[in-house]
Amino acid sequence: SQQGEEDPQALSIQEGENATMNCSYKTSINNLQWYRQNSGRGLVHLILIRSNEREKHSGRLRVTLDTSKKSSSLLITASRAADTASYFCATDAAPGFNKFYFGSGTKLNVKP
Amino acid sequence: DTEVTQTPKHLVMGMTNKKSLKCEQHMGHRAMYWYKQKAKKPPELMFVYSYEKLSINESVPSRFSPECPNSSLLNLHLHALQPEDSALYLCASSHVVPQDLNYGYTFGSGTRLTVV
Repeated sequence: SQQGEEDPQALSIQEGENATMNCSYKTSINNLQWYRQNSGRGLVHLILIRSNEREKHSGRLRVTLDTSKKSSSLLITASRAADTASYFCATDAAPGFNKFYFGSGTKLNVKP
Repeated sequence: DTEVTQTPKHLVMGMTNKKSLKCEQHMGHRAMYWYKQKAKKPPELMFVYSYEKLSINESVPSRFSPECPNSSLLNLHLHALQPEDSALYLCASSHVVPQDLNYGYTFGSGTRLTVV
């Protein structure tokens, strides 16, 4: 991908379990964001974490950022079948602004 | 209005055709983007417009020609495409200044393009 890699490439879990996805990126960043995509259509913004933040929560989502390792993780707690989708991290690359690149993505399957 | 609207949703075109993809937003965003996404791959950045001026061109072939006629509209003009250009083309918008980015970038649903 243009920016980095995510792992695992695919993840299959049971409803109610937690899902963790990891993202590594290549350049310095202004912020990192996580998106969800259903069935190859538009992307839905989930959460944004700035380069000076280390952890952020939003509902069942928890994101961490380690700029020294150029990595981030997304934790979805108490997963639901409706969480089945592809998840992408995306970085707003620095220096400069609005250079927005996606990682390779994780395909999550939550089994009911 | 918190949406990015892309038209058409589907487009089939021949290799000698000229067509255009359209994108519209009314959120006051002054940065707009085109992405190309092949099946089972992440979106790839093609072009970025900031304040209606082209700020980033990711070495995209000249058969793709972007245009930003005003702060709400973004077009992608297509000419002499190849079958390998078949993909989902996504438009997005955002604020330009990063400290305004509390809510991320807003994406349209995309145009699924097939070149025959």
